[in-house]
Amino acid sequence: QKEVEQNSGPLSVPEGAIASLNCTYSDRGSQSFFWYRQYSGKSPELIMSIYSNGDKEDGRFTAQLNKASQYVSLLIRDSQPSDSATYLCAVNPRNNAGNMLTFGGGTRLMVKP
Amino acid sequence: DAGVIQSPRHEVTEMGQEVTLRCKPISGHDYLFWYRQTMMRGLELLIYFNNNVPIDDSGMPEDRFSAKMPNASFSTLKIQPSEPRDSAVYFCASSLGGGYNSPLHFGNGTRLTVT
Repeated sequence: QKEVEQNSGPLSVPEGAIASLNCTYSDRGSQSFFWYRQYSGKSPELIMSIYSNGDKEDGRFTAQLNKASQYVSLLIRDSQPSDSATYLCAVNPRNNAGNMLTFGGGTRLMVKP
Repeated sequence: DAGVIQSPRHEVTEMGQEVTLRCKPISGHDYLFWYRQTMMRGLELLIYFNNNVPIDDSGMPEDRFSAKMPNASFSTLKIQPSEPRDSAVYFCASSLGGGYNSPLHFGNGTRLTVT
């Protein structure tokens, strides 16, 4: 079993819709969770971090964490074609010095005009 | 700030040759990470440094891979000898502090092709 799992997609949504991206992780002791966006041929860039159960909102993005279910998700409201990218879920399994992240394989999102 | 700088952007080499990838972290960042990304395995952590000292190299695939950080502004990842299965995009990333809320800043990557 992979430590961080994501559906590879592609997830296709129409412009203006809500895109929902999901991620599960295996290490129950994990404490910090991140969503990175990666455009084709580019490097990953951090868009959201979440550490506590519940929701965290930042503009059109909402991260949701459920530690009991070992599940983290990212919602993108009012999706735009510019949101089309691969979204990587990352987990710090030890929450210790070094911020060592384990990444999921990524979900490719396609927002169609 | 110039961000994390990696060179070269692209490297094409023949099997058996030595390859050296270079990275300059963001000035003042005390953590440096080398990641490798492939379609099959995704983004994998190879090794990371804190204050120029290697802390965890458990992700380095085999002895053909080595990494150094001679000073705070420069790191290298060397593959000798290279093999076709080493073909991937290699990312360097840095962070200020090692806390869980210290975001990683990635360089643009080096795309390595070994023929």
